[in-house]
Amino acid sequence: ETGVTQTPRHLVMGMTNKKSLKCEQHLGHNAMYWYKQSAKKPLELMFVYSLEERVENNSVPSRFSPECPNSSHLFLHLHTLQPEDSALYLCASSQGQVSTEAFFGQGTRLTVV
Amino acid sequence: LAKTTQPISMDSYEGQEVNITCSHNNIATNDYITWYQQFPSQGPRFIIQGYKTKVTNEVASLFIPADRKSSTLSLPRVSLSDTAVYYCLVGDRGSARQLTFGSGTQLTVLP
Repeated sequence: ETGVTQTPRHLVMGMTNKKSLKCEQHLGHNAMYWYKQSAKKPLELMFVYSLEERVENNSVPSRFSPECPNSSHLFLHLHTLQPEDSALYLCASSQGQVSTEAFFGQGTRLTVV
Repeated sequence: LAKTTQPISMDSYEGQEVNITCSHNNIATNDYITWYQQFPSQGPRFIIQGYKTKVTNEVASLFIPADRKSSTLSLPRVSLSDTAVYYCLVGDRGSARQLTFGSGTQLTVLP
């Protein structure tokens, strides 16, 4: 248990569906991150929120839409995904301004069919 | 953001000490060096962080030479459960961008 909880753990969705991934942290951190990890590949940083403001967006397609309503919750809204979007999606949090370490959730295994 | 280079893979045997080296030639003055461990289908886990010289905790040691252009993660007496991917990250602790992962090193511990 890392203090970062992701739901659901597994998700199968069709290309025309809309779904959302949820991340919640109970660590009092002020920065949260979304990562994508495809099979046998390193983590790709998708989005960063620091103090609830998005500070980084690494050219992620618009079919991925993040939302950070407060410092404890982070969502990733998904729509019209492609099969190549199938991956492990990981959420992390850190004390953004004086970060010593990041804590990761267990991830959501997403399969797009 | 400083680029890091690590070996793609390493093999070791149980009970041995394992040293994984990371090169970061363009490390900046404010950058720290951080190592994470990742098991399959799990999120990475922080191992250790340092700025210079040597840092030791209950899990590992981190050796950083004076020029800081490289660092070595040392795992004492590895076991089968240490089989994982190990990532070296370099970045400014005050920047959220520090959490950019490279390809990592797949460590396989053999019986």
